[in-house]
Amino acid sequence: QQPVQSPQAVILREGEDAVINCSSSKALYSVHWYRQKHGEAPVFLMILLKGGEQKGHEKISASFNEKKQQSSLYLTASQLSYSGTYFCGTETKDNYGQNFVFGPGTRLSVLP
Amino acid sequence: SQTIHQWPATLVQPVGSPLSLECTVEGTSNPNLYWYRQAAGRGLQLLFYSVGIGQISSEVPQNLSASRPQDRQFILSSKKLLLSDSGFYLCAWSVQQGVETQYFGPGTRLLVL
Repeated sequence: QQPVQSPQAVILREGEDAVINCSSSKALYSVHWYRQKHGEAPVFLMILLKGGEQKGHEKISASFNEKKQQSSLYLTASQLSYSGTYFCGTETKDNYGQNFVFGPGTRLSVLP
Repeated sequence: SQTIHQWPATLVQPVGSPLSLECTVEGTSNPNLYWYRQAAGRGLQLLFYSVGIGQISSEVPQNLSASRPQDRQFILSSKKLLLSDSGFYLCAWSVQQGVETQYFGPGTRLLVL
């Protein structure tokens, strides 16, 4: 089942912060974050494996709350280069095996 | 290091014509391979994935098919294109074991007229 991302879109001024959320109705094994710039392929940012884990990539960090079945992506002091669509991908496991599904994406626009 | 190639980069085809898109991966063995389609301004729709030669799983029934004739080659085909087949087609690979971080190719932009 596809995870839910919020907000659907956000507009920022350069230097402002933003948070993108990703939540699932199923227990999560891992959460992956990708960024896709306009006209390009998605690029892997980071993966979170453990409950409560936090990771960072440049001034972008993420947390993973296993209990709440959700992850949040934090963009600090945003730069123009952060503009794009952010997708979370959630990995779940059940008796039938692993399942990986991308969320619908959050469009981020950073203005000068 | 691993690289993934897709071609062609762009394609304009008339309705009813056939389609063949190719994806190849270098620098890894026995990868999982995926085909996604992305309509303009929309999310990633998984079309097919493969865990090995000749092993294809279809996620969405449609007029497209996929084949994996070699370990690192993945082909997306259609006998007759529809207008709704227009979109950005992305191939991706991941390792077989462990968490499935997917790495995307540059994509093929298809316009069906």
